[in-house]
Amino acid sequence: DQQVKQNSPSLSVQEGRISILNCDYTNSMFDYFLWYKKYPAEGPTFLISISSIKDKNEDGRFTVFLNKSAKHLSLHIVPSQPGDSAVYFCAASATGDAGGTSYGKLTFGQGTILTVHP
Amino acid sequence: DAGVTQSPTHLIKTRGQQVTLRCSPKSGHDTVSWYQQALGQGPQFIFQYYEEEERQRGNFPDRFSGHQFPNYSSELNVNALLLGDSALYLCASSLGGGNQLAFFGQGTRLTVV
Repeated sequence: DQQVKQNSPSLSVQEGRISILNCDYTNSMFDYFLWYKKYPAEGPTFLISISSIKDKNEDGRFTVFLNKSAKHLSLHIVPSQPGDSAVYFCAASATGDAGGTSYGKLTFGQGTILTVHP
Repeated sequence: DAGVTQSPTHLIKTRGQQVTLRCSPKSGHDTVSWYQQALGQGPQFIFQYYEEEERQRGNFPDRFSGHQFPNYSSELNVNALLLGDSALYLCASSLGGGNQLAFFGQGTRLTVV
């Protein structure tokens, strides 16, 4: 049972344009969502997160949007840069606090390979 | 300051054998989580250790066991290896189990033949 799904295995974008990565979830208990970025031969690196009490969180070029009714979140990267080329994982947890921290078990999606062309 | 280090980076085992993977957390971190990442999939949570005890466990059989030492380092043991255990095993360390500040190691690539 795939509780977190990233339905696009890959995405190709021109440098300077917007990259939009999508993620859907099924478990209503999830209350915290995170995006990770992974380069080959490295472990995933935390990028940005959002609590279920918010619908948007922004950090520089990265913005995450959460639509709870649709159980959908997306990551926007503007402008996209060649160095953003990596695998992006969406993850969810069912343990979070209002202070803005997710704890414990993370459930990951399958990942989306983003390629940004110069 | 070393980040999360995992050893070995690669290994090959035969079906039915047992394997031990090791993880040293980032300095100052007290929590270690283990994930299995099969090819083309996202990481799947195996278990988390805090204060030398297993705090949370994912949907993995008892063949998967772990340990955390007083210095917070951790081992993942897998018994009676199956071909399907072939995967990248990731260790993540954090302080108090928080995910945003969790650091992942580069992983151990296990191949079972």
